[in-house]
Amino acid sequence: GNSVTQMEGPVTLSEEAFLTINCTYTATGYPSLFWYVQYPGEGLQLLLKATKADDKGSNKGFEATYRKETTSFHLEKGSVQVSDSAVYFCALLDTDKLIFGTGTRLQVFP
Amino acid sequence: DGGITQSPKYLFRKEGQNVTLSCEQNLNHDAMYWYRQDPGQGLRLIYYSQIVNDFQKGDIAEGYSVSREKKESFPLTVTSAQKNPTAFYLCASSIYREGQPQHFGDGTRLSIL
Repeated sequence: GNSVTQMEGPVTLSEEAFLTINCTYTATGYPSLFWYVQYPGEGLQLLLKATKADDKGSNKGFEATYRKETTSFHLEKGSVQVSDSAVYFCALLDTDKLIFGTGTRLQVFP
Repeated sequence: DGGITQSPKYLFRKEGQNVTLSCEQNLNHDAMYWYRQDPGQGLRLIYYSQIVNDFQKGDIAEGYSVSREKKESFPLTVTSAQKNPTAFYLCASSIYREGQPQHFGDGTRLSIL
């Protein structure tokens, strides 16, 4: 079946460092892909999405490119801030259901 | 502002009791979902509904029940048959169309006394 694999955390960075959180997927066809962010004690917020191969989703300085050759959707940000500390989830849309990775905790220190 | 409202934010249950978690949306979305989140794990789908008066089991439906009598509302009942109900429960909704993202509420944390 379809699945999503994320790198294990926590990822610990200093402010202004470059961020990469790896996400790979297994799927039949080309599902839509998403990154969600969860701040402590809150629900998930949609961060960005891509609906077809080679699409690049972007929002708030974060980017991810839908790579069908490597079945990947890695999340990147050029300069992280303390306020980016959260848990990040990669997900794919399987017909009408979201399949999530296990989440990656990001900790950014001043 | 449109959104999804979950209540209560914190809920405590005695063993053997059923409890109902509320989820209301004013986004005019067709589909609604319930997820369970445990520490260090991703979200797991409990139930979902694509249309009023219809719903389907997700991956971990045992010990849970739902109803969808109105488009705006999708309450989840955690029954006494659910042996390990302590978790963070998230409700979501979406437009029922290919590629559309799901929008989430702020969750309800359920604990056993």
